[in-house]
Amino acid sequence: AQSVAQPEDQVNVAEGNPLTVKCTYSVSGNPYLFWYVQYPNRGLQFLLKYITGDNLVKGSYGFEAEFNKSQTSFHLKKPSALVSDSALYFCAVRPPTSGTYKYIFGTGTRLKVLA
Amino acid sequence: DTEVTQTPKHLVMGMTNKKSLKCEQHMGHRAMYWYKQKAKKPPELMFVYSYEKLSINESVPSRFSPECPNSSLLNLHLHALQPEDSALYLCASSQGRDEQFFGPGTRLTVL
Repeated sequence: AQSVAQPEDQVNVAEGNPLTVKCTYSVSGNPYLFWYVQYPNRGLQFLLKYITGDNLVKGSYGFEAEFNKSQTSFHLKKPSALVSDSALYFCAVRPPTSGTYKYIFGTGTRLKVLA
Repeated sequence: DTEVTQTPKHLVMGMTNKKSLKCEQHMGHRAMYWYKQKAKKPPELMFVYSYEKLSINESVPSRFSPECPNSSLLNLHLHALQPEDSALYLCASSQGRDEQFFGPGTRLTVL
């Protein structure tokens, strides 16, 4: 079965420190990979995606993600965390099967940046 | 315009009421989605419309009835809901396999 795992329910990091939010996936073929952020009582906001090419992808608000095909991982990173980065982060995968519109979401990781 | 709009923002309804949620996008996206999201959980796919035709129904109870009047609009008609249907309902759109754009959601409370 195809799946996306976010092994950490919550990640705490001090402001100014680097942050990593982990994501691994189990999908055959070459999926599209995405990160979204959700603030309380809001919709999901797109941060970045990997389709092909350079394994390091840069996105909005200083976030980047590293794609590792051998480890089937797509970890979200930021060099210096801000308190305003505190939110719920979802990793999502779009399988390569043509004609399907299903995105598989991870369970989400709550990021808490401490001042 | 890269925005998906949803109305209303909040909705409180009784179990015998009929109401509708509305979603609109003007990005020319040909796929539109309804998701249900419970607190601190990932979105659960309900329906997908592709080129104004229902493409996916994730075995959603018939008390939820989707409608796609045209390529920019998506409705979700609600009737005889249960308290456990209370959730944040999210609409999204996408072009091909690319990223989804989400609306702000409708917070639904069923009494």
